[in-house]
Amino acid sequence: DTGVSQNPRHKITKRGQNVTFRCDPISEHNRLYWYRQTLGQGPEFLTYFQNEAQLEKSRLLSDRFSAERPKGSFSTLEIQRTEQGDSAMYLCASSVYTTGHGYTFGSGTRLTVV
Amino acid sequence: GQQLNQSPQSMFIQEGEDVSMNCTSSSIFNTWLWYKQDPGEGPVLLIALYKAGELTSNGRLTAQFGITRKDSFLNISASIPSDVGIYFCAGQKETSGSRLTFGEGTQLTVNP
Repeated sequence: DTGVSQNPRHKITKRGQNVTFRCDPISEHNRLYWYRQTLGQGPEFLTYFQNEAQLEKSRLLSDRFSAERPKGSFSTLEIQRTEQGDSAMYLCASSVYTTGHGYTFGSGTRLTVV
Repeated sequence: GQQLNQSPQSMFIQEGEDVSMNCTSSSIFNTWLWYKQDPGEGPVLLIALYKAGELTSNGRLTAQFGITRKDSFLNISASIPSDVGIYFCAGQKETSGSRLTFGEGTQLTVNP
């Protein structure tokens, strides 16, 4: 296991289309997180899973966003009816521990909405 | 969303110089972390701090957890070209579960 894997690395989509991103965490990590990072800013928390349960969602996660982790392993983040403001880097991280010490981030998916 | 106040926003230094950056918050954090992010990659953890007043080193990097639990600083000594990147502070509150709150980042450029 070489770390947190995210696919695709880049996605260009037209406004109004739906997109789905995938995250494969480190296999023994039961916690999985999604963050969004816009240019020149730090990552912002979106949501967090412990196993298959979605335990926390940020107010940033509008109704157009949905995240799942059906079997407690990989996770998907779907954005419906994309808007130009959704253009950002979407980062996934996983951990065993509750503290930030255990976080491992993936390389992210860069979304561009045109 | 809430972000930590990180300064400076950018730094341009000569190789061999020391660097200092800091992070402040209006609220208390129980854990402070410092990350480095290279272009097109996710953040990588450099140092984690768990106790107010704690001073921790990792090679040429030294970080401190402020006594008030509302601030932290990171020092890099004898900078080298591969130190180039964006450095982020991040805080974690006991009441926010596993959520991390990040600063806006410090872009470091090291001239050889």
